Amino acid sequence: NAGVTQTPKFQVLKTGQSMTLQCAQDMNHNSMYWYRQDPGMGLRLIYYSASEGTTDKGEVPNGYNVSRLNKREFSLRLESAAPSQTSVYFCASSEARSQETQYFGPGTRLLVL
Amino acid sequence: QKEVEQNSGPLSVPEGAIASLNCTYSDRGSQSFFWYRQYSGKSPELIMSIYSNGDKEDGRFTAQLNKASQYVSLLIRDSQPSDSATYLCAVNIYSGNQFYFGTGTSLTVIP
Repeated sequence: NAGVTQTPKFQVLKTGQSMTLQCAQDMNHNSMYWYRQDPGMGLRLIYYSASEGTTDKGEVPNGYNVSRLNKREFSLRLESAAPSQTSVYFCASSEARSQETQYFGPGTRLLVL
Repeated sequence: QKEVEQNSGPLSVPEGAIASLNCTYSDRGSQSFFWYRQYSGKSPELIMSIYSNGDKEDGRFTAQLNKASQYVSLLIRDSQPSDSATYLCAVNIYSGNQFYFGTGTSLTVIP
């Protein structure tokens, strides 16, 4: 089992460019999450998907869109990147709801110039 | 006020000592509490989860939960240099799918 995988590992964008961060899990988990981590801010939830076909906003959704393509895959799209979106992005998955452990992917480091 | 608060540290302890990490949360309805360890440049990994008041022990780690005082702590006994990392407290506040993380406490164990 690979667990949670993310691509790319590192990306540099210019302001206004778009890109999609990919996430996949092979643990048959129902719930998937996208977080960003900034120095001094901790992990902040961008969007989550409780189950295939559903998505909901988290704490900091502005400037992002998501797609739960199927049970395995959950993508995060930046339509028009801004320097404020420079961050490390983590995807996570869990079996179900509140009492379940979240398993994190290795992260994507994004730099927006 | 942030949902989950941690002392950012850094916290330094000598090898073999007990490291004590603390976390407070704002919502009395919180149900689930987690401690994650994050090495520099790596992703968070679960250390402990706790759901009811009291202590929960797993090897050298003990999680303590006090819902009346709204705090959760992590004790690391016989600290090792390999324990040097940032420790993140996470709380599931609305018994749904939203988890709130603290900013993390940086721990250094000095050989």
